[in-house]
Amino acid sequence: GAGVSQTPSNKVTEKGKYVELRCDPISGHTALYWYRQSLGQGPEFLIYFQGTGAADDSGLPNDRFFAVRPEGSVSTLKIQRTERGDSAVYLCASSFGTGGPQHFGDGTRLSIL
Amino acid sequence: KQEVTQIPAALSVPEGENLVLNCSFTDSAIYNLQWFRQDPGKGLTSLLLIQSSQREQTSGRLNASLDKSSGRSTLYIAASQPGDSATYLCAVRYGGATNKLIFGTGTLLAVQP
Repeated sequence: GAGVSQTPSNKVTEKGKYVELRCDPISGHTALYWYRQSLGQGPEFLIYFQGTGAADDSGLPNDRFFAVRPEGSVSTLKIQRTERGDSAVYLCASSFGTGGPQHFGDGTRLSIL
Repeated sequence: KQEVTQIPAALSVPEGENLVLNCSFTDSAIYNLQWFRQDPGKGLTSLLLIQSSQREQTSGRLNASLDKSSGRSTLYIAASQPGDSATYLCAVRYGGATNKLIFGTGTLLAVQP
């Protein structure tokens, strides 16, 4: 597609469950980023991939959060043992190389009941 | 700590008015600065990107300026229209190995017809 695609658009699950969020970056973009946005706040950085490797994972809040990008394209953000505080919009972005503008998807709205 | 602040938090103007949104950052050693627009329930749309060596960028009715020495950027919107109503976010990328963006909390703009 022409833009960054994220699925699902909405996810509702119970506390303690495992969730996976998917991001399809713009074709040809080597860099991929995950951010989390709480209501009324700006996005906060989680992790950045250059190719298949995580170049910076300093924003992951704890070891319940993990992300992969096995073939250097699609990425999956995985959250184990979800907590109510994990409820937020999870945004994915990609860029061509590291110096260009980041282009964002519409996000996945995650609600933990 | 590297922080980004946006003032005002909310702004309401009549259609046709020119307006300025402000962004300030605590560390002047930036790599680039990006302005985004976010519509309700949507992801971020990149408006303008200013490299650290540049002083301004223009796109249509939008003009963004950058003053690194004072730690400030402004987004100027000329002849505002109701369709400009959205949240405007400023994001800074600092130098070094990381490509993460540090966001402000945004300015919610309402343009009244």
